[in-house]
Amino acid sequence: NAGVTQTPKFRVLKTGQSMTLLCAQDMNHEYMYWYRQDPGMGLRLIHYSVGEGTTAKGEVPDGYNVSRLKKQNFLLGLESAAPSQTSVYFCASSRLEGTYNEQFFGPGTRLTVL
Amino acid sequence: GENVEQHPSTLSVQEGDSAVIKCTYSDSASNYFPWYKQELGKRPQLIIDIRSNVGEKKDQRIAVTLNKTAKHFSLHITETQPEDSAVYFCAAGNSGYALNFGKGTSLLVTP
Repeated sequence: NAGVTQTPKFRVLKTGQSMTLLCAQDMNHEYMYWYRQDPGMGLRLIHYSVGEGTTAKGEVPDGYNVSRLKKQNFLLGLESAAPSQTSVYFCASSRLEGTYNEQFFGPGTRLTVL
Repeated sequence: GENVEQHPSTLSVQEGDSAVIKCTYSDSASNYFPWYKQELGKRPQLIIDIRSNVGEKKDQRIAVTLNKTAKHFSLHITETQPEDSAVYFCAAGNSGYALNFGKGTSLLVTP
């Protein structure tokens, strides 16, 4: 099993450009998440999904959109990139069973917006 | 919403010593408290977690304690080794899925 994978691994954008980050998991997890990680700020939740076709806002959703058309994929879109969105983006997934379960993280995408 | 504070932000210990990282949370409804380790350039990985019906949990050299009354929980690493050097994140959750993370502690274990 590949676990949680993310593409691309690195990307440089110019201000105003758009892009989509892809997250895929092969563990049949119901829950999926997008976080951003900035120095000294920890992991901040952008958007999450509790199942195919559902999405919800997290702590820092502005400037991002998401879609979960298939259970195994969770897409994060930046419609008009800004330098403030320079960050490392992590996707994670967890299963639906009982209460809490471990979140498994992808390897991350390092995004630079010039 | 939930607010998780983590201290210290950096911690340096000598190999063999113990390391303690502390976190506090604000939402009394929080019932799940995981700890993640992130090595440089790698993804966060769960090392231990505790639920609100338990006061302490151990796994070899790692232990976590929870004080629900005071709303704080701590990570204890004994007999530290250089490979324990990493950034450690605490988190708290109350909904079954979403977590609120602390800002992290950079632990350096020197030989």
